[in-house]
Amino acid sequence: QQQVKQSPQSLIVQKGGISIINCAYENTAFDYFPWYQQFPGKGPALLIAIRPDVSEKKEGRFTISFNKSAKQFSLHIMDSQPGDSATYFCAASTLAGANSKLTFGKGITLSVRP
Amino acid sequence: NAGVMQNPRHLVRRRGQEARLRCSPMKGHSHVYWYRQLPEEGLKFMVYLQKENIIDESGMPKERFSAEFPKEGPSILRIQQVVRGDSAAYFCASSTQGSETQYFGPGTRLLVL
Repeated sequence: QQQVKQSPQSLIVQKGGISIINCAYENTAFDYFPWYQQFPGKGPALLIAIRPDVSEKKEGRFTISFNKSAKQFSLHIMDSQPGDSATYFCAASTLAGANSKLTFGKGITLSVRP
Repeated sequence: NAGVMQNPRHLVRRRGQEARLRCSPMKGHSHVYWYRQLPEEGLKFMVYLQKENIIDESGMPKERFSAEFPKEGPSILRIQQVVRGDSAAYFCASSTQGSETQYFGPGTRLLVL
């Protein structure tokens, strides 16, 4: 049973466009939701994270929107650039994330065309 | 400040051999997590350790896999009698006490022939 599901599986966006990646979770005990970015041959790197007490968090070109009732959250990348081309994973954990294991989605591959 | 270090970066083993994967956490980090990434899959949690203690091993296969994080030295993930299905990328992450942020290493790509 996959507890965290991502969609779409892959995404192609033109430079300057908006990339939107969605994530749905099942476990209502989850209370920390990070997004990780991974380039080929590298380890995942934390991009941005949110807790369920807020509905949106923005850091630069990256925004997380969170819908607690629907158990969904999404990543928006504004003004997408070719350098954003990578694999993006949503994840979730309990205990507000503090020293808690992460449950990851399968990841989506984003390609930003020049 | 060096990040999380893993070695080797690539490891080739024949079926039945042992694989030892090492992880040195970031300086000041006392919590280590191991994850496995199969091709076209997300990362799957395996085990969470603090110095000299296994805190959560709920994702660890019951047989052939073991992990340790000694008082001195790196954390070790050990796979005995490897099989082809063990071929994957193994990532470790580290964090400080009470922190939600896990910093990942570059991973060890294990190939079992």
